[in-house]
Order: sequence, then C-alpha cells, then structure tokens
Amino acid sequence: EAEVAQSPRYKITEKSQAVAFWCDPISGHATLYWYRQILGQGPELLVQFQDESVVDDSQLPKDRFSAERLKGVDSTLKIQPAELGDSAMYLCASSPPAETQYFGPGTRLLVL
Amino acid sequence: AQSVTQPDIHITVSEGASLELRCNYSYGATPYLFWYVQSPGQGLQLLLKYFSGDTLVQGIKGFEAEFKRSQSSFNLRKPSVHWSDAAEYFCAVGRTGGGNKLTFGTGTQLKVEL
Repeated sequence: EAEVAQSPRYKITEKSQAVAFWCDPISGHATLYWYRQILGQGPELLVQFQDESVVDDSQLPKDRFSAERLKGVDSTLKIQPAELGDSAMYLCASSPPAETQYFGPGTRLLVL
Repeated sequence: AQSVTQPDIHITVSEGASLELRCNYSYGATPYLFWYVQSPGQGLQLLLKYFSGDTLVQGIKGFEAEFKRSQSSFNLRKPSVHWSDAAEYFCAVGRTGGGNKLTFGTGTQLKVEL
C-alpha cells in the first residue's frame, strides 16, 4: 500500500538555527498539505499545494516559514530561524483532488 | 468558519466494553466528516469518513460512526474495545471530500484497562 514518506522522523535543533523537513506524497496525488500539531492539540493546516502552486498559506508564519513544491511532487518545509514555540509534530498529507487526505508519519521537532 | 468540538479529553474503558467518542461540528453547509486515529509518535490513520448517503458509516478495525444532522454530531462507536485501540482519536470536518482544508478537534485520548 502506497504511503506518504517524511524525513527526518525526529529533529533536535537550537533556537535561531534553520531546519528543513521533506515530504514525498503518494504517487499521483496532486494535492499536498503541511500541518503543525502542537502537543495536546489537533493538527492545524500551515500550507496547501495543488501541484506546484500554493492554494492556501494563510496560517503559515511567513516571516520564518517557507514551503516549496517545485516540480509538483515532493515538498520541503523550512523554518529559519527556529524558535522555542516551533516545537511540534509536522505532518504532511496528500490526496487526489477533492478526495480523502492520507497522512505521513510526521517529523517531531524539538527546539532547545 | 468551520469548527469541531470533542468534549472528552480523556476516556478510560475496560477491554471488551463498548466505546463512544463524541464529536460535534459547526459548518454552514453539508459537512464532510472524518475520524482519524493517532498512536504515540505516529501520523494519523483514517478510520472512516462520511460524505453523503447512509448516515451510519463503517470503518476499519470494527469502528462505526453515525452522522446526525439535527444534533450536529458524528460520534464514533465500537461495540467491544481491544487493548490495541488505546490511542488518540481526532474528529475532523472539511468542505469537500477531504481535498481541502480539514479542521480538527483537539482529540480524545483513549486508555484501555485490561
């Protein structure tokens, strides 16, 4: 069964450093999402791509976060500089257009 | 704006007992509703979804959920809980069949006593 891949699974970094997360969606899924899940809360959407275009980044803190999906396949989410409050699980999901979202295993970030 | 409320933060049940997890949503049109399960340190696995039609939907692992428009609810049920069901459960609402922004509840942590 096809799955969404994410790496790394765990990342520890110091405040003010740069971090990057990678996501490879299920083959053929045009829509890709990045969510942030703070401990004890549900996931919140950061950015949504349709192919290589951003559809929704209204909740993305654009002063420090960036996301790209250059060829409309895999995607990278970057944080620079990282802050203590960025410690969370970062989840990637993908879906065919207007269909159910399937989630990857996530990247757990700890900022010290 | 769409929203989801899961009133129970923690629930403890004995293995073999029945389970019901509550979910209430707020949405201005016909909602698309989902239940996901998350084991510690893992991503979210889809249990079941409701788009339209029969209001009682069956999912994986013996779970089912019933959509009640009059109560704005989509409660998750299982007749007999297994120890492996211990996890966190999230209800979510979306505007289309999932291919658009999902709004999640805060989750219900399920503990199963042996």
